Amino acid sequence: GNSVTQMEGPVTLSEEAFLTINCTYTATGYPSLFWYVQYPGEGLQLLLKATKADDKGSNKGFEATYRKETTSFHLEKGSVQVSDSAVYFCALKSEKLVFGKGTKLTVNP
Amino acid sequence: DVKVTQSSRYLVKRTGEKVFLECVQDMDHENMFWYRQDPGLGLRLIYFSYDVKMKEKGDIPEGYSVSREKKERFSLILESASTNQTSMYLCASSLPSTGTLGEQYFGPGTRLTVT
Repeated sequence: GNSVTQMEGPVTLSEEAFLTINCTYTATGYPSLFWYVQYPGEGLQLLLKATKADDKGSNKGFEATYRKETTSFHLEKGSVQVSDSAVYFCALKSEKLVFGKGTKLTVNP
Repeated sequence: DVKVTQSSRYLVKRTGEKVFLECVQDMDHENMFWYRQDPGLGLRLIYFSYDVKMKEKGDIPEGYSVSREKKERFSLILESASTNQTSMYLCASSLPSTGTLGEQYFGPGTRLTVT
């Protein structure tokens, strides 16, 4: 079946550091791929998405590229801020939305 | 903006009680979902609904039921709450998949504690 594997956290970075959160998937067909973010005490919000191979999703300085050859959708940001502290979920959608287990990011000043 | 609201942010119930969690969305979405979120397990789908009075089991439906009498409202019911149902419950809604990629919009969550 479809599944998503993302790097386990927690991840702790200093402000302005480079961020990568790895995400790989297993799916039949050509799923859409998503990154969701959950800030403390809130529900999930869509951060970015990509619908086909080589698409790049971007939002709020975050980027992820749909790599079909490596079945990956890694999240990157060049310079993180304290306000980026949250839990990040990679997800794919085929028939249903399938989530990874989440990666908690803490950014220290 | 899409708004999904859940009736309570925090709830404490006793073992054996019947518990209702309510979710309302204001964007006329056809699809609605209930997930539970647990540390180390991510989000797991309990039930979903593609239309009024329609429901489908998700990955972990045991111990839960749902009700969708109106398009905007989707209720999760714990028939007899147990301590292993202590969790964060998230409701979501979306247009049909042929619309905006089936992108789901989430409520703020209800943290349920069963003692």
